[in-house]
Amino acid sequence: DVKVTQSSRYLVKRTGEKVFLECVQDMDHENMFWYRQDPGLGLRLIYFSYDVKMKEKGDIPEGYSVSREKKERFSLILESASTNQTSMYLCASSLRSLDQPQHFGDGTRLSIL
Amino acid sequence: AQSVTQLDSQVPVFEEAPVELRCNYSSSVSVYLFWYVQYPNQGLQLLLKYLSGSTLVKGINGFEAEFNKSQTSFHLRKPSVHISDTAEYFCAVILGGFQKLVFGTGTRLLVSP
Repeated sequence: DVKVTQSSRYLVKRTGEKVFLECVQDMDHENMFWYRQDPGLGLRLIYFSYDVKMKEKGDIPEGYSVSREKKERFSLILESASTNQTSMYLCASSLRSLDQPQHFGDGTRLSIL
Repeated sequence: AQSVTQLDSQVPVFEEAPVELRCNYSSSVSVYLFWYVQYPNQGLQLLLKYLSGSTLVKGINGFEAEFNKSQTSFHLRKPSVHISDTAEYFCAVILGGFQKLVFGTGTRLLVSP
């Protein structure tokens, strides 16, 4: 089975801090994704990566950056955390082919105080 | 612009009753369609997908969905639900080209005894 592991289930940080969310997948997937999930809004794509050192903006990239130095790891960075970034963050990975589903981690619930 | 509409934010049903969760999408191009389920405190997992071919798609846990191109719908159904089906269900589409999923806002299925 595919395993997508997010480093923290719960995280509390303060405004202005630099925050790192880590995601690791063990199935050699080319694609990796970061979403945020908010009530009533569903999942919104922040950034995605289709290869090592490659990244593409999603629908809501403002205030975030990403890093993919190794194929299995995709990091989401909040450069200067703000309270409106309090949310559930979900990482996913997939093979490149369009008919392959995305596999999700269990999420990180991030609170910015 | 591509969008996905889930008309019901919450659907309460009794155990062993049938259920339909509605999903409509707006697109003039070929699409790939997915239903994902999210159990409490977990990430999303794939229920079923439509890529091409037969319009009736069967998934895990007894769920099925029917692709209707003329009505641009992809409704999810189950003939008899269980308490364990209580979860949030997300419809999603991919535009041809790259694996960028667009999610609906989700429908919370509440199954009571």
